[in-house]
Amino acid sequence: EPEVTQTPSHQVTQMGQEVILRCVPISNHLYFYWYRQILGQKVEFLVSFYNNEISEKSEIFDDQFSVERPDGSNFTLKIRSTKLEDSAMYFCASSLVETQYFGPGTRLLVL
Amino acid sequence: GESVGLHLPTLSVQEGDNSIINCAYSNSASDYFIWYKQESGKGPQFIIDIRSNMDKRQGQRVTVLLNKTVKHLSLQIAATQPGDSAVYFCAESTYGGGTASKLTFGTGTRLQVTL
Repeated sequence: EPEVTQTPSHQVTQMGQEVILRCVPISNHLYFYWYRQILGQKVEFLVSFYNNEISEKSEIFDDQFSVERPDGSNFTLKIRSTKLEDSAMYFCASSLVETQYFGPGTRLLVL
Repeated sequence: GESVGLHLPTLSVQEGDNSIINCAYSNSASDYFIWYKQESGKGPQFIIDIRSNMDKRQGQRVTVLLNKTVKHLSLQIAATQPGDSAVYFCAESTYGGGTASKLTFGTGTRLQVTL
């Protein structure tokens, strides 16, 4: 069964550093998403992406965040200058239509 | 650092019993709803979904009920098994068709299955 994959599974970085989180969505899916989950809290929407452009973004997704689909398979989330409060699990999801399938997540820890 | 987590409501059921997990959603314009299961350290796993033009949908051992009048969603799990132990989230969306629609997640309910 096809699934969304994410790398790395864990990332530790220093405050102010740039990080890139990578995702490989399910191959025939058209819509791509990033969500985050702070420890013990609910999953929060960050951004959606379709047809090589952002469809919608949340208030969390400020100028420090960017997304890219550099080739036909990868979907990346870049945080330009990480802050302590960016520490969270970051989930990539993809959908063919409305049902979103999630990856296993990347745990980001900003020190 | 990481924020202090929310206190999740917990449902404890005995193995073999049926479980009912409830969710109140907020947006009366939402037209698509989905239940996810999340095990510790893993991503949300799709269980079942329902559109707003339906009030019930059944899957394998699971049933979702939608009451749009009171904005309430429930997930019923038949013959609950130890492997069902997880946190369950409902999510809602305003699916416009042809667009990427964000999911708004609920707080979650922890299901504990006792032997």
